Amino acid sequence: GENVEQHPSTLSVQEGDSAVIKCTYSDSASNYFPWYKQELGKRPQLIIDIRSNVGEKKDQRIAVTLNKTAKHFSLHITETQPEDSAVYFCAAIPAVESNFGNEKLTFGTGTRLTIIP
Amino acid sequence: DTGVSQNPRHKITKRGQNVTFRCDPISEHNRLYWYRQTLGQGPEFLTYFQNEAQLEKSRLLSDRFSAERPKGSFSTLEIQRTEQGDSAMYLCASSWDRYSYEQYFGPGTRLTVT
Repeated sequence: GENVEQHPSTLSVQEGDSAVIKCTYSDSASNYFPWYKQELGKRPQLIIDIRSNVGEKKDQRIAVTLNKTAKHFSLHITETQPEDSAVYFCAAIPAVESNFGNEKLTFGTGTRLTIIP
Repeated sequence: DTGVSQNPRHKITKRGQNVTFRCDPISEHNRLYWYRQTLGQGPEFLTYFQNEAQLEKSRLLSDRFSAERPKGSFSTLEIQRTEQGDSAMYLCASSWDRYSYEQYFGPGTRLTVT
């Protein structure tokens, strides 16, 4: 099955600086890569995603890049703000395993991002 | 609130008791997923439904676990004879249909087994 590794496990950056979180995946047929933000005690919130036919996607201060050859994808947050502090999870949907197309997410272990004022 | 909702938000039970959780997906979402999240880890897939049909169960889902989605709307997850290792956050997510991919999560039910 799919295996997703995420680094670093913790990251502290000064407010206003950029933060980068990296993930690698094992299944070369994986085709969808979302990023979730989870604040303490709250639900995982989908913040951005990318499909395998695209190399980069941006949404205001957040961007995701995908390198299919190397099987890794990254989350970039620019001009960080205190409200960006949270745990971030990457995930991947492995190759469709049946005609029903189970898009189950395989998650990384998370990155705790702390923005230092 | 039109998002995914889950009840109860917290459940404390004694080992050996049965518990049941409920998930109400976003209206008109055909797919419903259950995940389990332990402290410091990402969510792990348990099972999913396409309308009322349960199409896959993870090996994490032992015989003590059962899930239903009787009318293709809300879903329930029951754990029988709870064990301390069942303590976790149980998350529900829904998506529109196959190929829509985006999954939206509920707030979760935190289960503590004493």
